[in-house]
Amino acid sequence: AQTIHQWPVAEIKAVGSPLSLGCTIKGKSSPNLYWYWQATGGTLQQLFYSITVGQVESVVQLNLSASRPKDDQFILSTEKLLLSHSGFYLCAWRNRDTQDTQYFGPGTRLLVL
Amino acid sequence: GQQVQQSPASLVLQEGENAELQCNFSTSLNSMQWFYQRPGGSLVSLFYNPSGTKHSGRLTSTTVIKERRSSLHISSSQTTDSGTYLCAFHNNAGAKLTFGGGTRLTVRP
Repeated sequence: AQTIHQWPVAEIKAVGSPLSLGCTIKGKSSPNLYWYWQATGGTLQQLFYSITVGQVESVVQLNLSASRPKDDQFILSTEKLLLSHSGFYLCAWRNRDTQDTQYFGPGTRLLVL
Repeated sequence: GQQVQQSPASLVLQEGENAELQCNFSTSLNSMQWFYQRPGGSLVSLFYNPSGTKHSGRLTSTTVIKERRSSLHISSSQTTDSGTYLCAFHNNAGAKLTFGGGTRLTVRP
């Protein structure tokens, strides 16, 4: 069975500090990978997607970047956090061959002060 | 404007009552999904439903792609059904998933 992990579970960071959020999928090779963000009380927005190692497409610009260094790993990062980066970050995967259901990880809650 | 409209925005039921949640899309879509968002924020996929009707326990999803709408029916609601229900559509290229604002459901004992 496939499992998706995100780290950290939660983080409190200072404005201007760097950030790195991780996502790992186990049990599925060559998945499509996605990052989403949800402000408190807001709508989920897709940030990035990746269909293969080293290839990442941006959907919404929020002064964040994403990388896919390995087939099963997706990283979200920024060098300087803004207050507006606070919220809930979700990683998801999808079977590249069937292109059907997206499955989501448990999420990372970020508070920027 | 918003590409995905969900209604109602919130709904309060007595346990045992049925609920009908609606999702309307303003653009053409390839397929859609219904999710349940737990109070902590994590998402559970309820249905991947490109068209037609699907059942899972007390839940039924019906999607009419040509009319750009989908519904989620919850029968005999329980207090544990409380939470936020989200619908989302996949674009024709399949790379993007766009979410609605959700329906917040409260089921009272």
